[in-house]
This record gives sequence, structure tokens and C-alpha cells, in this order.
Amino acid sequence: KAGVTQTPRYLIKTRGQQVTLSCSPISGHRSVSWYQQTPGQGLQFLFEYFSETQRNKGNFPGRFSGRQFSNSRSEMNVSTLELGDSALYLCASSLDRIPNSPLHFGNGTRLTVT
Amino acid sequence: GENVEQHPSTLSVQEGDSAVIKCTYSDSASNYFPWYKQELGKGPQLIIDIRSNVGEKKDQRIAVTLNKTAKHFSLHITETQPEDSAVYFCAASNYEAAGNKLTFGGGTRVLVKP
Repeated sequence: KAGVTQTPRYLIKTRGQQVTLSCSPISGHRSVSWYQQTPGQGLQFLFEYFSETQRNKGNFPGRFSGRQFSNSRSEMNVSTLELGDSALYLCASSLDRIPNSPLHFGNGTRLTVT
Repeated sequence: GENVEQHPSTLSVQEGDSAVIKCTYSDSASNYFPWYKQELGKGPQLIIDIRSNVGEKKDQRIAVTLNKTAKHFSLHITETQPEDSAVYFCAASNYEAAGNKLTFGGGTRVLVKP
């Protein structure tokens, strides 16, 4: 069974640009969560989608947005990029709710903002 | 909101020795505590988890203990091996209120010396 797939693996963008990251969950999984990982702030929750609806949201500015498609694939978008947005963005999928359905993480997209 | 503190930030052990990582959480409503292992270039991988109605759980060389009164939980790795070298994260969640949102500790870098 294929794991969580995130594309692209690496991205380099310039301040002020926008970026879209993609996540394909494990087949059958309906929940997709996004996390930002930085050396300074660690792993922080961005948002979670379930059956195309945002189920929860973290404390990030409105520049960070996401969506989920009918096939459970998800995208997150960051507009007006800032240097501080440089991070590893991780996607995690699960069948439904924890703890009955643990989160499975992808290997992330490394975003560098210059 | 929930806050999770993790100690130590780095841990060096001799192969065959035990390793212990400790976490404290702030929200007494948290009821799910997973532990993740992250290897270089990869996303976090769930290694063990525990629910608030259980005091201890063991899986081969790995065990987790939970003290709800003191609001802390610990990961124990026995008979450490070089392949146990990685960064370990604890996390907490009130899954009934926050769905699949996990609040992570800052991580512990474990080095197992052969």
C-alpha cells in the first residue's frame, strides 16, 4: 500500500510569490492534516480536512489556506510568501479520527523562501 | 491551548543501554499521547501511542507510561540499537474536541553509539 505522497519534494520561491503544495493520502484515508516544521517552532498544526470540509484550523495567518478534493487529495497554498515561511511542510492522512485512526505522515515538501 | 514540553533535547546512549524521554502537557483534557520517530529526510513515523485511560503500554523494546495526575508521559527504549538513532517527538491531543490536531513537543535527538 502506497504511503502519503507529497509533491514537490523541494521548492524555492521568492518573497511575495505564492506557492501550492500537494498531498495524496493513503488510499481510503479521508482525513488530511497539514503541519509546518521549523527548527525554531517545531511541528505546528496548520489545518485538517475531512471529506472536503475543514475540520480544524491552527493559529496561522490567512495567507495559509488549503482545500481537499473529492478523491481526498489535498493542496495547501501560501500567498505573499515571507522569509519566515521557509520550512518543511508535512501532510498526514488517516482513515478518520484519532486515536482509532492514527496519523501517517508523508516525507514533506521543503520550501525555501529567498 | 495545549503546550507540550519535551526533555532532554539531545540524548546520547551506548548501544544496549536504555533511553528515556519525558514530556509534560498543560491541558488536563488531553486524552491521546502518540510518539513519533523522525529519521533524516523523512516524515515522522508513529512508533507507539497511549490513551488517557491506560497507564502503560509496551511494544517489544518500546514502552510508554502516562501519569495523568502529574500530566506527564515518558518513552522508554530498552536495549538500544544504532537504528534507534533519530529525532523523537511526543504529542498530545484532546481528540474529542480537536479532531486530528496534535500538539508536539520540541523533539529529542537520540544518538546510539556502537
